[in-house]
Amino acid sequence: SAVISQKPSRDICQRGTSLTIQCQVDSQVTMMFWYRQQPGQSLTLIATANQGSEATYESGFVIDKFPISRPNLTFSTLTVSNMSPEDSSIYLCSVLTLASGELFFGEGSRLTVL
Amino acid sequence: RKEVEQDPGPFNVPEGATVAFNCTYSNSASQSFFWYRQDCRKEPKLLMSVYSSGNEDGRFTAQLNRASQYISLLIRDSKLSDSATYLCVVSVYNNNDMRFGAGTRLTVKP
Repeated sequence: SAVISQKPSRDICQRGTSLTIQCQVDSQVTMMFWYRQQPGQSLTLIATANQGSEATYESGFVIDKFPISRPNLTFSTLTVSNMSPEDSSIYLCSVLTLASGELFFGEGSRLTVL
Repeated sequence: RKEVEQDPGPFNVPEGATVAFNCTYSNSASQSFFWYRQDCRKEPKLLMSVYSSGNEDGRFTAQLNRASQYISLLIRDSKLSDSATYLCVVSVYNNNDMRFGAGTRLTVKP
């Protein structure tokens, strides 16, 4: 298993600002991902965070809007840039355990943009 | 067409009932299948993987039909604690690309 800590757990932000979400894992993991869950919706994969290189983004998500860093195997950040109310969502960090193929999630960061 | 489709429910059932959820997926090359559970305002957690031959874990049974591209989850003898949203998850490439269905909400009532 993996224990994932995310912060902030929630924030209220003004339109046009940016917010960085941090994700810390208690063990070294190869695969880390960032998901978004909009109100009443399911999870959408934003990107795969690659250690030491640029993240791999899914269709509809771009680096300028969601820059991601992953300096080592236990830590990653996701920035939501130039926020608008449409960015109000829960952002979840997740890691994949290769042995079991199970995804573990952080508790999420609930973002509200006014 | 969505990659993973589920009946959103809600399913409202009495304790002790048997309830079944279905999920369909669009990519015939999909290799891995899972059911996750998400409690209100919590993160999703793995309930069970779905194997080609079908598998059972206590009161929960998962089935896969590759020909029809659907997955099912059967819950027997429902408990109040089973109330949650059940997410169907499908992956094509080594679990690096898990796609989530919108979830089916279940409420078990006394």
